[in-house]
Amino acid sequence: SYVLTQPPSVSVAPGNTARITCGGNNIGSKGVHWYQQRPGQAPVLVIYYDGDRPSGIPERFSGSNSGNTATLTISRVEAGDEADYYCQVWDSRSARVVFAGGTKLTVL
Amino acid sequence: QLQLQESGPGLVKASETLSLTCSVSGGSISNTNYYWGWIRQSPGKGLEWIGSVYYSGNTYYNPSLESRVTISIDTSKNEFSLKVTSVTAADTAVYYCDYGAVSYSIFDVWGQGTLVTVSS
Repeated sequence: SYVLTQPPSVSVAPGNTARITCGGNNIGSKGVHWYQQRPGQAPVLVIYYDGDRPSGIPERFSGSNSGNTATLTISRVEAGDEADYYCQVWDSRSARVVFAGGTKLTVL
Repeated sequence: QLQLQESGPGLVKASETLSLTCSVSGGSISNTNYYWGWIRQSPGKGLEWIGSVYYSGNTYYNPSLESRVTISIDTSKNEFSLKVTSVTAADTAVYYCDYGAVSYSIFDVWGQGTLVTVSS
């Protein structure tokens, strides 16, 4: 089955830029979606179809996808951005939604 | 803004059936083009898609769970439900209901989640 790989953790100082990667075989051919999950809360969709933002999501959140890596970029990181981030795709071959294991973003 | 709320037993015995309901407020579950679904998260672990149902009743299930899972819509109550049969300890998780306005594989809004523990 299709496998997505994220780094377990990423750390960034406030005001800097955080980049969270999501690796998968030819992931650039798939639509990638990103979710933010703060501690004790349900996930929230922050990016869909690689780089689109749902209404209410700050412009500081952006995404890109090419080759074997998709990237979620968070600019001007704030303390409130500290959370787990998950990337997700639809794998047509196995006919299932696939989530990566998640990345814990720590704001120093 | 649609809001979702899960409800159901927090404790289920092994080999029995887990049943959860998701109540929809702020809109109609009969809204065309919406997909309604379930995702679970085992304690301290990642997310696992269970499946989705379209407003028309068409269903999409995770192949690894399909033989034990049923998702259905009750338009009269504006809610949808999940049943998982023959549960084991591996089914212990926080269960989230969700909806997608674009696709059954994009989850726009999630409920707050409900913990279901399978006991032996």
